[in-house]
Amino acid sequence: AQSVSQHNHHVILSEAASLELGCNYSYGGTVNLFWYVQYPGQHLQLLLKYFSGDPLVKGIKGFEAEFIKSKFSFNLRKPSVQWSDTAEYFCAVNDNNNDMRFGAGTRLTVKP
Amino acid sequence: KAGVTQTPRYLIKTRGQQVTLSCSPISGHRSVSWYQQTPGQGLQFLFEYFSETQRNKGNFPGRFSGRQFSNSRSEMNVSTLELGDSALYLCASREAYEQYFGPGTRLTVT
Repeated sequence: AQSVSQHNHHVILSEAASLELGCNYSYGGTVNLFWYVQYPGQHLQLLLKYFSGDPLVKGIKGFEAEFIKSKFSFNLRKPSVQWSDTAEYFCAVNDNNNDMRFGAGTRLTVKP
Repeated sequence: KAGVTQTPRYLIKTRGQQVTLSCSPISGHRSVSWYQQTPGQGLQFLFEYFSETQRNKGNFPGRFSGRQFSNSRSEMNVSTLELGDSALYLCASREAYEQYFGPGTRLTVT
């Protein structure tokens, strides 16, 4: 079975700093990749997704992620974070068996 | 369309009891998945139902079970509750690959 690793458990940044959250997965076949965000007290919501095509995908609120197949990675980036980006971020992978797996999550704290 | 709804939102149970949680998917979505969310563990996959059949199952003991009805609504049941079952239980529905999550049921076992 596939697994998803998010190596950063808690990241603390100041506003305007750049963000990169790591995500690696173990499945060798065709995958669909997702980043979800959970703001304090809110539902999990989709930030961005990759199915095929351009490996650099752009999502909502200025986030982007790059799929690097050779590294089995799908890192999330944002050039300049805001206090409102404080949330928990989850990477997820769905394989061709429709088996969806999530990483442990990375808690992001942005200091004003 | 209305989003995924889960009831109840909060629940307090005692060790040894059983509990049933309910999830109503987005209209038209036939797949419903259940996850357990705990601090530091992220989202642990419990099971997925599609057209009333369990399609996938995670690595949880048999105390955790579920079912899906013909209208795609799903329930999950946990029997003989343990303290470690305290968590946020999330339900998600989908029609293709993208999952839409409900607000969760916060279960506390004392």
